[in-house]
Amino acid sequence: AQSVSQHNHHVILSEAASLELGCNYSYGGTVNLFWYVQYPGQHLQLLLKYFSGDPLVKGIKGFEAEFIKSKFSFNLRKPSVQWSDTAEYFCAVIPFTGRRALTFGSGTRLQVQP
Amino acid sequence: GAGVSQSPSNKVTEKGKDVELRCDPISGHTALYWYRQSLGQGLEFLIYFQGNSAPDKSGLPSDRFSAERTGGSVSTLTIQRTQQEDSAVYLCASSSDGTAGNIQYFGAGTRLSVL
Repeated sequence: AQSVSQHNHHVILSEAASLELGCNYSYGGTVNLFWYVQYPGQHLQLLLKYFSGDPLVKGIKGFEAEFIKSKFSFNLRKPSVQWSDTAEYFCAVIPFTGRRALTFGSGTRLQVQP
Repeated sequence: GAGVSQSPSNKVTEKGKDVELRCDPISGHTALYWYRQSLGQGLEFLIYFQGNSAPDKSGLPSDRFSAERTGGSVSTLTIQRTQQEDSAVYLCASSSDGTAGNIQYFGAGTRLSVL
Protein backbone atom coordinates (compact mmCIF):
# COMPACT_ATOMS: atom_id res chain seq x y z
CA ALA A 1 0.00 0.00 0.00
CA GLN A 2 1.14 3.51 -0.67
CA SER A 3 1.92 6.13 1.97
CA VAL A 4 2.65 9.85 1.94
CA SER A 5 4.88 11.80 4.30
CA GLN A 6 4.78 15.52 4.84
CA HIS A 7 7.69 16.53 7.00
CA ASN A 8 6.58 20.00 8.00
CA HIS A 9 3.54 19.99 10.25
CA HIS A 10 3.40 23.71 10.99
CA VAL A 11 5.22 26.44 9.09
CA ILE A 12 5.19 30.12 9.99
CA LEU A 13 6.45 32.63 7.43
CA SER A 14 6.37 36.36 6.92
CA GLU A 15 4.80 37.79 3.80
CA ALA A 16 7.11 37.75 0.77
CA ALA A 17 9.15 34.85 2.15
CA SER A 18 9.71 31.83 -0.06
CA LEU A 19 7.93 28.58 0.65
CA GLU A 20 8.86 24.96 0.16
CA LEU A 21 6.78 22.15 1.63
CA GLY A 22 8.14 18.65 1.47
CA CYS A 23 6.22 15.60 0.31
CA ASN A 24 7.56 12.08 -0.12
CA TYR A 25 5.57 9.04 -1.10
CA SER A 26 6.14 5.35 -0.88
CA TYR A 27 4.81 3.19 -3.69
CA GLY A 28 6.41 0.75 -6.11
CA GLY A 29 4.43 1.66 -9.19
CA THR A 30 3.32 4.69 -11.16
CA VAL A 31 1.31 7.30 -9.35
CA ASN A 32 -0.47 10.53 -10.00
CA LEU A 33 0.38 13.28 -7.53
CA PHE A 34 -1.66 16.13 -6.15
CA TRP A 35 -1.50 19.05 -3.80
CA TYR A 36 -4.77 20.12 -2.23
CA VAL A 37 -5.32 23.22 -0.10
CA GLN A 38 -7.88 23.88 2.60
CA TYR A 39 -8.34 27.55 3.47
CA PRO A 40 -9.86 28.32 6.88
CA GLY A 41 -13.53 27.42 6.86
CA GLN A 42 -13.46 26.21 3.28
CA HIS A 43 -13.47 22.84 1.58
CA LEU A 44 -10.51 21.04 0.06
CA GLN A 45 -9.61 22.30 -3.37
CA LEU A 46 -7.01 21.29 -5.91
CA LEU A 47 -3.87 23.38 -6.06
CA LEU A 48 -2.00 21.44 -8.74
CA LYS A 49 -1.46 17.95 -10.11
CA TYR A 50 1.16 15.84 -11.86
CA PHE A 51 0.18 13.05 -14.21
CA SER A 52 3.04 12.80 -16.70
CA GLY A 53 5.41 14.87 -18.83
CA ASP A 54 7.24 17.93 -17.51
CA PRO A 55 8.05 17.19 -13.86
CA LEU A 56 7.69 20.86 -12.98
CA VAL A 57 4.02 21.67 -12.76
CA LYS A 58 2.37 24.98 -12.15
CA GLY A 59 -0.86 25.48 -10.29
CA ILE A 60 -3.14 28.24 -9.17
CA LYS A 61 -2.05 31.32 -7.20
CA GLY A 62 1.60 31.10 -8.21
CA PHE A 63 2.28 27.67 -6.70
CA GLU A 64 4.44 25.08 -8.41
CA ALA A 65 5.69 21.62 -7.59
CA GLU A 66 8.48 19.44 -8.87
CA PHE A 67 8.24 15.69 -9.21
CA ILE A 68 11.58 13.99 -8.63
CA LYS A 69 11.01 10.33 -9.40
CA SER A 70 14.36 9.14 -8.04
CA LYS A 71 13.57 10.72 -4.68
CA PHE A 72 9.85 9.84 -4.65
CA SER A 73 9.25 13.50 -3.89
CA PHE A 74 6.73 16.11 -4.95
CA ASN A 75 7.65 19.30 -3.11
CA LEU A 76 5.45 22.38 -3.27
CA ARG A 77 7.00 25.80 -3.77
CA LYS A 78 6.03 29.43 -4.00
CA PRO A 79 8.61 32.19 -4.38
CA SER A 80 6.74 34.81 -2.36
CA VAL A 81 3.86 33.98 -0.02
CA GLN A 82 0.97 36.23 0.86
CA TRP A 83 -1.15 36.44 3.97
CA SER A 84 -4.00 34.89 1.95
CA ASP A 85 -1.93 31.70 1.54
CA THR A 86 -2.58 30.87 5.19
CA ALA A 87 -4.15 27.42 4.94
CA GLU A 88 -3.53 23.73 5.38
CA TYR A 89 -1.80 21.96 2.51
CA PHE A 90 -2.16 18.28 1.72
CA CYS A 91 -0.06 16.16 -0.59
CA ALA A 92 -1.83 13.13 -2.06
CA VAL A 93 -1.14 10.25 -4.40
CA ILE A 94 -3.28 7.85 -6.35
CA PRO A 95 -1.83 4.80 -8.10
CA PHE A 96 -2.30 4.15 -11.79
CA THR A 97 -3.66 0.74 -10.95
CA GLY A 98 -5.42 -0.58 -7.93
CA ARG A 99 -7.60 1.32 -5.50
CA ARG A 100 -8.86 4.59 -6.97
CA ALA A 101 -8.70 6.51 -3.73
CA LEU A 102 -6.39 9.31 -2.74
CA THR A 103 -3.84 8.63 -0.04
CA PHE A 104 -3.13 11.85 1.80
CA GLY A 105 -0.22 13.08 3.83
CA SER A 106 -0.87 14.39 7.31
CA GLY A 107 -0.98 17.98 6.09
CA THR A 108 1.09 21.11 6.70
CA ARG A 109 -0.45 24.09 8.39
CA LEU A 110 0.98 27.28 6.88
CA GLN A 111 0.63 30.53 8.76
CA VAL A 112 1.69 33.69 6.94
CA GLN A 113 2.20 36.72 9.11
CA PRO A 114 1.56 40.15 7.59
CA GLY B 1 -22.20 24.54 -12.03
CA ALA B 2 -22.98 23.24 -8.57
CA GLY B 3 -20.28 21.50 -6.62
CA VAL B 4 -20.47 18.52 -4.31
CA SER B 5 -23.17 19.09 -1.73
CA GLN B 6 -23.19 17.47 1.70
CA SER B 7 -25.81 17.54 4.42
CA PRO B 8 -26.10 18.18 7.23
CA SER B 9 -23.10 20.47 7.67
CA ASN B 10 -23.02 19.68 11.38
CA LYS B 11 -24.44 16.77 13.32
CA VAL B 12 -24.37 16.26 17.06
CA THR B 13 -25.50 12.89 18.31
CA GLU B 14 -25.40 10.79 21.43
CA LYS B 15 -23.24 7.73 21.75
CA GLY B 16 -25.10 4.65 20.52
CA LYS B 17 -27.39 6.46 18.09
CA ASP B 18 -27.37 5.90 14.33
CA VAL B 19 -26.60 8.73 11.92
CA GLU B 20 -27.00 9.24 8.19
CA LEU B 21 -24.85 11.59 6.16
CA ARG B 22 -25.80 12.58 2.65
CA CYS B 23 -23.72 13.45 -0.41
CA ASP B 24 -24.96 14.85 -3.70
CA PRO B 25 -22.13 14.67 -6.26
CA ILE B 26 -21.49 16.91 -9.23
CA SER B 27 -24.01 16.11 -11.95
CA GLY B 28 -22.66 13.58 -14.42
CA HIS B 29 -19.86 12.34 -12.18
CA THR B 30 -19.85 8.59 -12.04
CA ALA B 31 -17.28 8.15 -9.28
CA LEU B 32 -18.04 9.02 -5.65
CA TYR B 33 -15.76 8.77 -2.63
CA TRP B 34 -16.15 9.11 1.12
CA TYR B 35 -13.23 10.17 3.29
CA ARG B 36 -12.91 11.01 6.96
CA GLN B 37 -10.80 13.81 8.44
CA SER B 38 -9.95 13.53 12.09
CA LEU B 39 -7.28 14.98 14.36
CA GLY B 40 -5.65 11.68 15.14
CA GLN B 41 -5.87 9.99 11.75
CA GLY B 42 -5.71 12.79 9.20
CA LEU B 43 -7.57 12.27 5.93
CA GLU B 44 -8.46 8.65 5.33
CA PHE B 45 -10.38 6.85 2.63
CA LEU B 46 -13.60 5.08 3.57
CA ILE B 47 -15.45 3.85 0.48
CA TYR B 48 -15.57 4.36 -3.29
CA PHE B 49 -18.37 3.93 -5.82
CA GLN B 50 -17.83 3.78 -9.57
CA GLY B 51 -20.85 3.51 -11.81
CA ASN B 52 -22.69 0.23 -11.35
CA SER B 53 -19.66 -1.66 -10.09
CA ALA B 54 -19.52 -3.12 -6.60
CA PRO B 55 -18.20 -0.47 -4.21
CA ASP B 56 -14.70 -0.62 -2.79
CA LYS B 57 -15.35 -0.80 0.96
CA SER B 58 -11.78 -1.50 1.95
CA GLY B 59 -11.44 1.69 4.00
CA LEU B 60 -14.46 1.27 6.24
CA PRO B 61 -13.17 1.05 9.83
CA SER B 62 -15.82 -1.33 11.17
CA ASP B 63 -19.08 -3.05 10.25
CA ARG B 64 -20.96 -0.20 11.92
CA PHE B 65 -20.18 1.83 8.81
CA SER B 66 -22.06 1.33 5.56
CA ALA B 67 -22.86 3.37 2.48
CA GLU B 68 -25.10 3.16 -0.50
CA ARG B 69 -25.49 5.06 -3.69
CA THR B 70 -28.92 5.17 -5.21
CA GLY B 71 -29.50 5.63 -8.92
CA GLY B 72 -25.84 6.31 -9.50
CA SER B 73 -26.11 9.73 -7.91
CA VAL B 74 -26.83 10.56 -4.26
CA SER B 75 -24.97 8.61 -1.60
CA THR B 76 -25.72 8.05 2.06
CA LEU B 77 -23.11 7.07 4.64
CA THR B 78 -24.65 5.41 7.68
CA ILE B 79 -22.92 4.94 11.01
CA GLN B 80 -24.71 2.65 13.43
CA ARG B 81 -24.29 2.72 17.20
CA THR B 82 -22.00 5.74 17.03
CA GLN B 83 -18.95 5.89 19.28
CA GLN B 84 -16.96 8.90 20.42
CA GLU B 85 -14.08 7.92 18.16
CA ASP B 86 -16.42 8.39 15.18
CA SER B 87 -16.28 12.15 15.77
CA ALA B 88 -14.70 13.64 12.67
CA VAL B 89 -15.43 15.57 9.50
CA TYR B 90 -16.84 13.27 6.84
CA LEU B 91 -15.94 14.39 3.34
CA CYS B 92 -17.48 13.35 0.07
CA ALA B 93 -15.79 13.77 -3.30
CA SER B 94 -16.76 13.01 -6.85
CA SER B 95 -14.92 12.71 -10.14
CA SER B 96 -16.08 12.37 -13.72
CA ASP B 97 -14.94 8.76 -13.78
CA GLY B 98 -12.86 6.50 -11.62
CA THR B 99 -9.59 6.73 -13.47
CA ALA B 100 -6.48 7.68 -11.54
CA GLY B 101 -6.02 10.81 -13.60
CA ASN B 102 -9.33 12.33 -12.75
CA ILE B 103 -9.55 15.15 -10.28
CA GLN B 104 -11.64 14.57 -7.21
CA TYR B 105 -13.81 17.50 -6.17
CA PHE B 106 -14.66 17.73 -2.50
CA GLY B 107 -17.70 18.90 -0.63
CA ALA B 108 -17.61 21.04 2.49
CA GLY B 109 -18.06 18.03 4.72
CA THR B 110 -20.29 17.01 7.61
CA ARG B 111 -18.83 17.62 11.06
CA LEU B 112 -20.01 14.79 13.30
CA SER B 113 -19.75 15.14 17.06
CA VAL B 114 -20.59 12.12 19.20
CA LEU B 115 -21.25 13.02 22.82
